[in-house]
Amino acid sequence: KAGVTQTPRYLIKTRGQQVTLSCSPISGHRSVSWYQQTPGQGLQFLFEYFSETQRNKGNFPGRFSGRQFSNSRSEMNVSTLELGDSALYLCASSFMGRNTEAFFGQGTRLTVV
Amino acid sequence: AQSVTQPDIHITVSEGASLELRCNYSYGATPYLFWYVQSPGQGLQLLLKYFSGDTLVQGIKGFEAEFKRSQSSFNLRKPSVHWSDAAEYFCAFRTEGGYQKVTFGTGTKLQVIP
Repeated sequence: KAGVTQTPRYLIKTRGQQVTLSCSPISGHRSVSWYQQTPGQGLQFLFEYFSETQRNKGNFPGRFSGRQFSNSRSEMNVSTLELGDSALYLCASSFMGRNTEAFFGQGTRLTVV
Repeated sequence: AQSVTQPDIHITVSEGASLELRCNYSYGATPYLFWYVQSPGQGLQLLLKYFSGDTLVQGIKGFEAEFKRSQSSFNLRKPSVHWSDAAEYFCAFRTEGGYQKVTFGTGTKLQVIP
């Protein structure tokens, strides 16, 4: 069974540009969440999608957005990149329900120069 | 506020020694609790989870954790550490009303010396 797949694995962008990251969840998982990991702030929740609807959002500026498609694949977009957006972006997928756990992808390493 | 605390930023143990990583949470009820491990540049791998029931849970790679409600703790243990266990370990929780949002601790980096 394939795990959570994130593409690309590495990305270098220039300040002011925008970027789109992709996440394919484990087959059958309909919930997809995104996290930002930095040395200074640790792992921070960005948002969660279920059935193409955003159900939960973390404390990030509006430059960070996402969406989910009917096949549960998800994308997140960051516009007007800042140096501080350099981070490892992790995607997680899960079944819905109480006794469920999140499975994480390998992440996309974004470097803003 | 809901939070999880890992008081140890770095821990160094000798190969073959026992290990205990501490985790405390702050939440008004019992949350769902997890331990994840991350190798450098990699994603997070789930070691074990606690939802309810038996307070001692077994995970992968020989790890176990014990939930203690009275202490709001969920400490991770391993009786004999291997060099391959060197990584960063994250305690995390999720609340029943929080959908799939997971709150993470700041992590504990484990160094294993031969």
